[in-house]
Amino acid sequence: AQSVTQLGSHVSVSEGALVLLRCNYSSSVPPYLFWYVQYPNQGLQLLLKYTSAATLVKGINGFEAEFKKSETSFHLTKPSAHMSDAAEYFCAVSGHFGNEKLTFGTGTRLTIIP
Amino acid sequence: GAGVSQSPSNKVTEKGKDVELRCDPISGHTALYWYRQSLGQGLEFLIYFQGNSAPDKSGLPSDRFSAERTGGSVSTLTIQRTQQEDSAVYLCASSSSGTGVYNEQFFGPGTRLTVL
Repeated sequence: AQSVTQLGSHVSVSEGALVLLRCNYSSSVPPYLFWYVQYPNQGLQLLLKYTSAATLVKGINGFEAEFKKSETSFHLTKPSAHMSDAAEYFCAVSGHFGNEKLTFGTGTRLTIIP
Repeated sequence: GAGVSQSPSNKVTEKGKDVELRCDPISGHTALYWYRQSLGQGLEFLIYFQGNSAPDKSGLPSDRFSAERTGGSVSTLTIQRTQQEDSAVYLCASSSSGTGVYNEQFFGPGTRLTVL
């Protein structure tokens, strides 16, 4: 069984400040891990993914995440927040046997304070 | 190129009615997924089709929910005798296939279902 836990359903940061969104996973097999973003009234867009290559993964829009097996974490960071980053962010996990369903966290709504 | 499309974008129905939601995957994608996004349950997996294999129905919440995929392309999710707790956004995703390799799931914009 696999699951992810996102700490903090709402996070607010000032424009230009560090963004840190937390995700911890549980998996009985080596996981694939993902961060998706959902802008208001839009579908899900893949930000970045970890598929057992480099543990530090860079994604779109300046986001990155680091896979830490010892901490079972995959936190999402961005050095400097922009107003356009306001959205809902979902962490997800899957197995690594090809096409597999995604198991999502409950999401974190990011608000950027001008 | 064209992405995943879903129709209708919004559906309002009365409790007890049946509804059909449609998903057109990206051309050539053999894998198709349905997920549901609701306030109470977050984002949850419903069903998965891969080529001609039997679908993985393990996420369907009740026997009122069913889905089919015709000709390996378009999929229809049917909810019979809708209940208010079925109100949610229903998301479809598709991906190419390949065992042992990661295949990104591309999501459609969703269908917002409201059951009155």
